[in-house]
Amino acid sequence: GQNIDQPTEMTATEGAIVQINCTYQTSGFNGLFWYQQHAGEAPTFLSYNVLDGLEEKGRFSSFLSRSKGYSYLLLKELQMKDSASYLCAVRPTSGTYKYIFGTGTRLKVLA
Amino acid sequence: EAQVTQNPRYLITVTGKKLTVTCSQNMNHEYMSWYRQDPGLGLRQIYYSMNVEVTDKGDVPEGYKVSRKEKRNFPLILESPSPNQTSLYFCASSILAGGEDTQYFGPGTRLTVL
Repeated sequence: GQNIDQPTEMTATEGAIVQINCTYQTSGFNGLFWYQQHAGEAPTFLSYNVLDGLEEKGRFSSFLSRSKGYSYLLLKELQMKDSASYLCAVRPTSGTYKYIFGTGTRLKVLA
Repeated sequence: EAQVTQNPRYLITVTGKKLTVTCSQNMNHEYMSWYRQDPGLGLRQIYYSMNVEVTDKGDVPEGYKVSRKEKRNFPLILESPSPNQTSLYFCASSILAGGEDTQYFGPGTRLTVL
């Protein structure tokens, strides 16, 4: 089967750095996405990885290791507004556009 | 303003009464998709479409139908809703480049089937 695992909840302090891990087991791999979802709202795109390595976008970075089926999202200089769920998603197969989402990691940022 | 719209935003209905949730995008995107989101299960893909008249099943298509007669619209049809279809539904759209195809999500439709 196809599976994506993420921690259910994490807590961190304002100004700190937090790393949210995602492991996946899928029938193929054609890209990994991170989305942010505030409570009661729609998901919004954060980052995309298809090759091994680190992608940096301001305070947010995402890392991918295809051989290990592993990714992480790194959030620096945490702000209260970063309190949200973070969804890891994999597009398993080239040529089709199915997406498999993890159950999401709920991050609480404390003052 | 570039956006994905869904209607209705909230719906309470009864078992067996056919309903349609509309989805429309104004970004000329080829790709559109429907998801349901349930506590503890995350987002699960119901159906997707790669262009007009081209649709395919996601992971949880049972009990749902879709159509793509126009590029901008992708309605989700529940012919005979059941209580296990009570959920939060999201429509999404994106370009189709095979790379960083960011999905833009609609605001969601909260459906309750009694």
